[in-house]
Amino acid sequence: DAKTTQPTSMDCAEGRAANLPCNHSTISGNEYVYWYRQIHSQGPQYIIHGLKNNETNEMASLIITEDRKSSTLILPHATLRDTAVYYCIVFRAGGTSYGKLTFGQGTILTVHP
Amino acid sequence: NAGVTQTPKFQVLKTGQSMTLQCAQDMNHNSMYWYRQDPGMGLRLIYYSASEGTTDKGEVPNGYNVSRLNKREFSLRLESAAPSQTSVYFCASTQFTLHSGANVLTFGAGSRLTVL
Repeated sequence: DAKTTQPTSMDCAEGRAANLPCNHSTISGNEYVYWYRQIHSQGPQYIIHGLKNNETNEMASLIITEDRKSSTLILPHATLRDTAVYYCIVFRAGGTSYGKLTFGQGTILTVHP
Repeated sequence: NAGVTQTPKFQVLKTGQSMTLQCAQDMNHNSMYWYRQDPGMGLRLIYYSASEGTTDKGEVPNGYNVSRLNKREFSLRLESAAPSQTSVYFCASTQFTLHSGANVLTFGAGSRLTVL
């Protein structure tokens, strides 16, 4: 699976959009981009995933560049409860992957009042 | 709907003691996983079970054994605990298929283990 690069930490003001970048320049055509977050040592929580098109759900939006070498997770109106470690994971689903995700260090997002 | 349940939540062991971490899921998922997370680190895969009756090693399997007791339950055993196994352990599950477009893991709340 392709490696990802994320900033170590980011800050965001409450109520503003939080834009978390991720570089995955070696991504293959059949690899998905996943985002998970981990709030204060709880179990990681799935946020969103995408292959090539932009995606939106009730939690966030995922913008994937046309060349798929980078992506941005957008939390449109960040709240204090969004303070967490955010993991960007590139993963080839199906086949012999058996669902094994590889977690990097992630981005520590701190939302300030 | 409980999702993924792990027991115990906290445990303190002495070096050399043994224990089993239990994990159960009620989502009828076929695949289950055990991860560990050390302070300030990302999660690392210890063992996984792609389907009932199968288990396989992940990135850091040394010092651990697993049992897929049935479709719901996947236990992790430490036969002789060492201080290096002090960590937070997470169990996860998903409905994995060979031709699935995506795999979303559901995680438990974690089991915090300290080995003295």
